[in-house]
Amino acid sequence: KAGVTQTPRYLIKTRGQQVTLSCSPISGHRSVSWYQQTPGQGLQFLFEYFSETQRNKGNFPGRFSGRQFSNSRSEMNVSTLELGDSALYLCASRPGTRGPGNTIYFGEGSWLTVV
Amino acid sequence: AQRVTQPEKLLSVFKGAPVELKCNYSYSGSPELFWYVQYSRQRLQLLLRHISRESIKGFTADLNKGETSFHLKKPFAQEEDSAMYYCALTSGYSTLTFGKGTMLLVSP
Repeated sequence: KAGVTQTPRYLIKTRGQQVTLSCSPISGHRSVSWYQQTPGQGLQFLFEYFSETQRNKGNFPGRFSGRQFSNSRSEMNVSTLELGDSALYLCASRPGTRGPGNTIYFGEGSWLTVV
Repeated sequence: AQRVTQPEKLLSVFKGAPVELKCNYSYSGSPELFWYVQYSRQRLQLLLRHISRESIKGFTADLNKGETSFHLKKPFAQEEDSAMYYCALTSGYSTLTFGKGTMLLVSP
C-alpha cells in the first residue's frame, strides 16, 4: 500500500508569509504526527492528531498549528514565517492503537525555505 | 520528561570494522525504544525496535534498563551502512522523542 505522502515537497516563502503543508497517511492509520528537522536541533516533535483531535503538542509557538480531517489527512500551518522556520517538515503516521503494531512511518518531508 | 541522548555526532569506521552507535535515554516508566535510519536523499525509516529483538541488516540493539541504554551494534560494517541513525523513545500512546542523531561513515 502507499506510504505517507507529503505535499508540496519543496517550497520557498518570504518572511511574514504563511504556509500550509499537507500529509496523507497510510491507509487505515488514524494517527498523524508532525516533526521539524533542522541541522542544529535535529528532529523535534510539533504535534500529533488522532481521530481529528490533537493528542499531543510539542514546544513550538502558536504560529504553528495543525488539523486532521475525517479521512485522517492532516495539514499543518505556519503563520508569520521567520527565517528560523526553514526546515524539513516530516509527517508520520501510525495505526494509533497500543501494542507492537503501532509503528510510525515517515513521509519524505516538505522542504521549506524562508527568505 | 523523556530524553534521548546520542553522544556522537559522527562515527567514522572502515569497512569490516565493528560498529557501536550509542544511545542513552531517560524515562521513568517502561519505554519502547527504536532505531531509525535515514540514508542519503531517502525518508526516515524504522531499522529495528527493542520489543522485536530481531536483527535487521546485521544490526542488533539490546535494551539495558539498568544502564538506560539501547546501543546499536553491527559486527562488520559495510559501505552501504553509511547513513544518519536516530535513536527514539516512546511510551504507549505518546509521541516519539528522538536523539540528535549519529552520522555513520563507513570508508572502503
